[in-house]
Amino acid sequence: DQQVKQNSPSLSVQEGRISILNCDYTNSMFDYFLWYKKYPAEGPTFLISISSIKDKNEDGRFTVFLNKSAKHLSLHIVPSQPGDSAVYFCAAPGGTSYGKLTFGQGTILTVHP
Amino acid sequence: EAGVTQFPSHSVIEKGQTVTLRCDPISGHDNLYWYRRVMGKEIKFLLHFVKESKQDESGMPNNRFLAERTGGTYSTLKVQPAELEDSGVYFCASSQDSGFYASEQFFGPGTRLTVL
Repeated sequence: DQQVKQNSPSLSVQEGRISILNCDYTNSMFDYFLWYKKYPAEGPTFLISISSIKDKNEDGRFTVFLNKSAKHLSLHIVPSQPGDSAVYFCAAPGGTSYGKLTFGQGTILTVHP
Repeated sequence: EAGVTQFPSHSVIEKGQTVTLRCDPISGHDNLYWYRRVMGKEIKFLLHFVKESKQDESGMPNNRFLAERTGGTYSTLKVQPAELEDSGVYFCASSQDSGFYASEQFFGPGTRLTVL
């Protein structure tokens, strides 16, 4: 039962262009969403989050959009840089506390110079 | 400030053997989590400690897995006896706050476990 889904295993983008990573969820009880970035041989690093009371949250080059009716969120990176090449995970907390994160499968982003 | 550390970074064992993974969270973080990623798939929650108490262990696969956090500091995850399907990368994470901010977790580099 995959409650958080990232249907694109990989994405390739030219440096300077926009990267759009997508995530869908099925559990309507989720009210907070996060994006994590992971480099090889490292653990995931928190990137940006959004509460369900908002539809957009921006932090520098990173913007997350939330469409509650479609149960869909996306991460926009503008402009993309080669250092952004990593695996990006969408996640949502649930269970008895906000500590239990449910992750998507991840999307490998490659930004070409 | 030191981040979350995990030991060992890589462990190769035979089926039926025992392995113990260790995690040292960021100092002062009451919340400690264990996750596992198998074969490049999604990262799956195993359990959550608040200080030395198990808050949520709903993700533990079976009774071959035992997690402890004596004294509310470092944690160990023991797998006994190990099976082939236990292979994967085991991540530990910690967070300081409760509510939304408990989701913004700091992850260690992981322990890659290979069971032959």
